[in-house]
Order: sequence, then structure tokens, then C-alpha cells
Amino acid sequence: AQKVTQAQTEISVVEKEDVTLDCVYETRDTTYYLFWYKQPPSGELVFLIRRNSFDEQNEISGRYSWNFQKSTSSFNFTITASQVVDSAVYFCALSEGWGQAGTALIFGKGTTLSVSS
Amino acid sequence: ETGVTQSPTHLIKTRGQQVTLRCSSQSGHNTVSWYQQALGQGPQFIFQYYREEENGRGNFPPRFSGLQFPNYSSELNVNALELDDSALYLCASSLAAASTDTQYFGPGTRLTVL
Repeated sequence: AQKVTQAQTEISVVEKEDVTLDCVYETRDTTYYLFWYKQPPSGELVFLIRRNSFDEQNEISGRYSWNFQKSTSSFNFTITASQVVDSAVYFCALSEGWGQAGTALIFGKGTTLSVSS
Repeated sequence: ETGVTQSPTHLIKTRGQQVTLRCSSQSGHNTVSWYQQALGQGPQFIFQYYREEENGRGNFPPRFSGLQFPNYSSELNVNALELDDSALYLCASSLAAASTDTQYFGPGTRLTVL
């Protein structure tokens, strides 16, 4: 069965601290995609990154970085030098298959990040 | 390029009523997926429409139904509303229906059922 677990419900940090959001997934498929989305108070889910199961290279985009480890089924997200604007709910999601139609995103329950000044 | 839009923003209904939510997909996208997000939870997949056909469905009862139009916009209809239907309803569009296609979300419609 597909499942995404975000064990951290809430994290509070002070501006400029680094913070890592954990994501652990379960899937029986060998081909799958992992995603991170940000949901600010406005409600819209903002796409941050997509990785496929064959690419384990870490990725960095500005203050954001992602660590994908198939051996531990984890896809963790680190924000370096956090800012107040980073305050939001962050979701990790999984989709399976390769080019299959009708594939849904399976979301974790989200981690609420609060960054104070 | 216009992103995904949804209407209305907020809606209040009473139990037993019917509701229609609307979504316009991003330019060039032919697939629309609908999700229900209860308070404090992650989004749950309702169904997906690809080229005007239902292309996959989550664990939701038949009173949740949808449509996709030739311009790829979509509607979500919910009949016989229940209190538990109160949630944020999110629409996402993608280039196509494959798992390789990133889903881009609209701002959502917040439905309150009294």
C-alpha cells in the first residue's frame, strides 16, 4: 500500500535557523515520483519539487535542499537560514507508476512550520 | 499564462443540499484532479478527469460526481451534503494524466456545511 508519513506535526524555529522536514514513504512500486508542496495560509498548494525514483542526487534550490534516500525510503526537505515567509504547512506526496493514467497524489498529513522573527 | 482558478472562494450550505464547485485548468493542461482537504489533514484524492472522461477515483461515495468540459475546465458536484463534507476542495491541473506530470493547484474552495 502507498503511504506517506510526516512524523513532525509542528516545528517552531527562529529566523535564520536551519530546519529539516522529514518525509518517509511506503510503496511496492519500483517507479514512483515524490513531491513537496507548500501551503501558505491562503490555502493554495505551491509546487516545490518533483523527484523520480531513479534519481537519488540531492538537489539544492536557493535556500531549499532535498535529500532523497531510497535505502531508508526518505525524502527530507531542508530550509537553510529560515525566514518568516517560510511559515506554512509543508506536504510531502507520492505518485506511483510510469506514465500510467489516473494516478493520484498520496499526501502526508503535513508539517506546520512557524518561523518567528 | 493563467494558473489554476477556482470558484467560489467560500461557500456555506446546509445539510442535504447540493453544491457545484468550478475549476479552470492552467493553459495547455488537459487533466484536472480534485482533492478534499479536511482541517489539519493532507489532501485526499477524489477523482481525475482526462479529456472529458473520469480517469480514476478515490474512496469517495457516488454522491461526489464531476464533469470536464471541452475547454478542460471542470466541475465537482456533491449531492446530499453531510456535515463531514465541510473541507477545502482543491483542484489541480496537469499537462496529462500520467504520474510523470506535476499537478498544479488552485487556491481552493472552502465549503462549510451547517
